[in-house]
Amino acid sequence: KQEVTQIPAALSVPEGENLVLNCSFTDSAIYNLQWFRQDPGKGLTSLLLIQSSQREQTSGRLNASLDKSSGRSTLYIAASQPGDSATYLCAVRPGQAGTALIFGKGTTLSVSS
Amino acid sequence: SQTIHQWPATLVQPVGSPLSLECTVEGTSNPNLYWYRQAAGRGLQLLFYSVGIGQISSEVPQNLSASRPQDRQFILSSKKLLLSDSGFYLCAWKPGATDTQYFGPGTRLTVL
Repeated sequence: KQEVTQIPAALSVPEGENLVLNCSFTDSAIYNLQWFRQDPGKGLTSLLLIQSSQREQTSGRLNASLDKSSGRSTLYIAASQPGDSATYLCAVRPGQAGTALIFGKGTTLSVSS
Repeated sequence: SQTIHQWPATLVQPVGSPLSLECTVEGTSNPNLYWYRQAAGRGLQLLFYSVGIGQISSEVPQNLSASRPQDRQFILSSKKLLLSDSGFYLCAWKPGATDTQYFGPGTRLTVL
């Protein structure tokens, strides 16, 4: 059974710092991996999607990497800003046949000014 | 452009009462639709998904049910709510040919 774990559960950093959020999954046979952002009491916003054949994806100050063989993904946030404060969720799609996503519990990031 | 709506935004219901949450998508046709629940201290859990009108797949057995009466409408229901049904319910949609899921604003359900 695929399980997704995110460490740390919470992270506090000062503005301007570069940071890395971690995601690990138990079964390396995934179709793709997505990173989402969730603001308090709100829905999810897709940040980056990495297909199983890709190693990384970049969008602005965000860079997500995928090491499928070791079951790991990282989300790198450069020059963090207070507006980056949110919960970041990692989700894997186990296979091509189904479309269900399996989510981690998230990392709650707080960036202080 | 496509938009997804959920209502109500918040709901407080007594144990044993019925439930109906609605999700609608605009600006697309034949989307895949999903219901997720986010409970305190737990990750998002997929409850139901649908690839077409009247086609519902259940991921977790429980006292909830889902229906898709129209192409862009997805309804989550219960005949009798339990305390454990409290949580944040999220609807999502996905264009058939892509992988990215787009989430609605969610409904906060509190069962007392």
